Formats: sequence, structure tokens, C-alpha cells
Amino acid sequence: RKEVEQDPGPFNVPEGATVAFNCTYSNSASQSFFWYRQDCRKEPKLLMSVYSSGNEDGRFTAQLNRASQYISLLIRDSKLSDSATYLCVVILRGSSNTGKLIFGQGTTLQVKP
Amino acid sequence: EADIYQTPRYLVIGTGKKITLECSQTMGHDKMYWYQQDPGMELHLIHYSYGVNSTEKGDLSSESTVSRIRTEHFPLTLESARPSHTSQYLCASRDSSKETQYFGPGTRLLVL
Repeated sequence: RKEVEQDPGPFNVPEGATVAFNCTYSNSASQSFFWYRQDCRKEPKLLMSVYSSGNEDGRFTAQLNRASQYISLLIRDSKLSDSATYLCVVILRGSSNTGKLIFGQGTTLQVKP
Repeated sequence: EADIYQTPRYLVIGTGKKITLECSQTMGHDKMYWYQQDPGMELHLIHYSYGVNSTEKGDLSSESTVSRIRTEHFPLTLESARPSHTSQYLCASRDSSKETQYFGPGTRLLVL
């Protein structure tokens, strides 16, 4: 079983739609959580960290459910430029020094005009 | 934009050749990482470094080796390339006080 699991998609949505991605992690020792964005044939870039209380950055909202071990990303009012692969990433407790990131496979979003 | 660079961006090479993928960063980060990513698949850590003269193997076994003689430079070497080494190699770095990793643009390697 993968440590971080995501539905690979693709999610095809029209512009302006609201779309949500979920990600589950298997290790209860996971302590830090992130969403990275990776455009086609490009490097991953940090989109946002995910905090226990939930956090919002413009049209993006991230939430963490420790009890169920899942993380979500909500994108409101989708833009064409949101088309990308969204990577769910965790750091295990005790790995803060090494900073080893564990990546999910990613969920691909295609926003259509 | 992150100041982390990788060369070459693309490399097509024959089996048996020795190759070195370069990675450098100008942010003064002490921690650096190499990841391998196949198309449509997740990134896997293959090497990391805490600082100068420190290198460790990552979670995914790799025949490559790395060195860290200078803070800003973290090259990856394959002594004898094979078709199974065909992949994208991504270098990253971070400051010790923060969890965010910054990625280079990657090297796409094709071994014929």
C-alpha cells in the first residue's frame, strides 16, 4: 500500500467550477502536510501548507482530518491556469531534520473553457 | 523564483556511458535532495545531504552516487548508464529552519 494515495484523475471541469481533491495517508506518524503543484514537464512548486485548523489562500482551501488521515484541497472558481497535477505531500514525525518528503502520485486537473 | 539550477535539462546517451547530472543552488541552503520521477508517477527520494561532506541514500534504491564538496553543489553520477535509468531527475534544496523544498527544473534522461 502506498504511503500517500491520490486519485490520479484526470478531473475535467469547466471554467468557474469548484473542484475538490482528497488524499489519504497511511502513516499516523505523519506530521506535516502540503499541496504542491506540478505543471506538465515542470518541477513541483509549493502551493500551500496544510494546517490542522484548515487554511485558505485566495481560491484555494486546504483541510486536514487527522482522525481519518486525509487531506483535501478545494479550488473555487477554477481558471484555465489551474490545469496542472496537484501533489499531496507529507513529512513524517521525526523527519523534520532530514525533511524527507513523501509524495502522492498526484491528481491531474484539466480546466476547460 | 527559486535559485536552483540543473544541467543538462535533457540528455540522450548510450548504454555504458558515465554521466553526471549537475545541481547547484545559490540560496545557501544546507539540505539538498535528489528525486527520481517516472512519467505519471510519484517522486521518489534517491539521495539527500545535510551539508558539506554529508550524503545519505534515500528511500528508493539507486545505482547513482552523489557528492557534496561545496554547499551550493550536489552532483549525481551514474558510472554506467542503462536503459532502466531513463527517468526524470529532480534536485531540491531547503533551509534547515523551514520545511519548504525548492525544486530545480529537472533533467530528463534517456538511455538508449
